[in-house]
Amino acid sequence: EDQVTQSPEALRLQEGESSSLNCSYTVSGLRGLFWYRQDPGKGPEFLFTLYSAGEEKEKERLKATLTKKESFLHITAPKPEDSATYLCAVQLGILTGGGNKLTFGTGTQLKVEL
Amino acid sequence: NAGVTQTPKFQVLKTGQSMTLQCAQDMNHEYMSWYRQDPGMGLRLIHYSVGAGITDQGEVPNGYNVSRSTTEDFPLRLLSAAPSQTSVYFCATRGGHYEQYFGPGTRLTVT
Repeated sequence: EDQVTQSPEALRLQEGESSSLNCSYTVSGLRGLFWYRQDPGKGPEFLFTLYSAGEEKEKERLKATLTKKESFLHITAPKPEDSATYLCAVQLGILTGGGNKLTFGTGTQLKVEL
Repeated sequence: NAGVTQTPKFQVLKTGQSMTLQCAQDMNHEYMSWYRQDPGMGLRLIHYSVGAGITDQGEVPNGYNVSRSTTEDFPLRLLSAAPSQTSVYFCATRGGHYEQYFGPGTRLTVT
């Protein structure tokens, strides 16, 4: 069974304290791995897509990386406004029957304090 | 551009009642989908559509119906609400690189 596991479930950081969130997956035929940010009471907001091992994407204080088994979301010098739940999701390739379905992890709840 | 809109934001139903959750988009995306989000379960796909007139089941379709008569609208119908359908429901569209754009959600409580 295809699975997406995120760790840790919750993370509390001080402002400026860098860290990483992990998303591991056990799927074959990965077409893409996606990171989303979700604020309380709102829908997920798209951040990044990664397609192949070794790929990296950056946006402000966030950098996403991908290996053959996992992805990391690195947060550099976080600020309180980075507090949110971060979700990852995987999409299988069309040939492996997953062209129209995303499988989501349960998320990491990040809290950044002053 | 409004993106993806959903109505209502909140709804309380009694067991056995039916209702329709509305979803509309102005992004001209062919693909639309419905998810439910429950604590500890992650987002789970209910139904999806790859274009007007075409729908298919996702991971948890039982108790829900969909139809797609236009590109813009993708309503989700609860046929006979059950307490197990208490959840937050999100509608989403998909862009050209498979990234999804979510609406603000509908929080549904079934008593």
